[in-house]
Amino acid sequence: DTAVSQTPKYLVTQMGNDKSIKCEQNLGHDTMYWYKQDSKKFLKIMFSYNNKELIINETVPNRFSPKSPDKAHLNLHINSLELGDSAVYFCASSLSSGSQYFGPGTRLTVL
Amino acid sequence: GNSVTQMEGPVTLSEEAFLTINCTYTATGYPSLFWYVQYPGEGLQLLLKATKADDKGSNKGFEATYRKETTSFHLEKGSVQVSDSAVYFCALSDRRNTDKLIFGTGTRLQVFP
Repeated sequence: DTAVSQTPKYLVTQMGNDKSIKCEQNLGHDTMYWYKQDSKKFLKIMFSYNNKELIINETVPNRFSPKSPDKAHLNLHINSLELGDSAVYFCASSLSSGSQYFGPGTRLTVL
Repeated sequence: GNSVTQMEGPVTLSEEAFLTINCTYTATGYPSLFWYVQYPGEGLQLLLKATKADDKGSNKGFEATYRKETTSFHLEKGSVQVSDSAVYFCALSDRRNTDKLIFGTGTRLQVFP
């Protein structure tokens, strides 16, 4: 009965690789988000999708590409990984103008 | 632009002590205000929220009141427990701007028996 789930929980990879993180929510929400939490715990929004449409795209390198196959899923694909991409990535979801519910996070380590 | 400022941590308390974590914000319009909690190794959980001035959010013994005149949303608890040890994030959402959450830097709370 997990509300917002992410896979994988941990991801360790080499610089230059391409990787994806998946997110699914079973709350019936229409809006999904990706946030990045750096090593100092600072959280910043990256993207937001509403009904599969991109509505927020913060200043994020275009190596990051979100994809929303349906309202319940928002995946994050990262090309040409760099050391600075190491962080914890959180997915979240909400109903429009409602409270956001977060997934457990994916800890990405780029070596 | 919109921003949230939280007190620096860590905050270290003994069990049953009174807790205050300060949060002030800068925003245009009338944002909603939130406190999220992150327990070690876990994701963020919504702790409480307030959507308009003078609203008080409360949950699990924690309270925060939306003070428009001082642009503050301080988190309080009368008697903390060891299990309250976590990182607490204050956040705002400008409803005019597609509900993007803007977070403070987080405040680590450590409660000792």
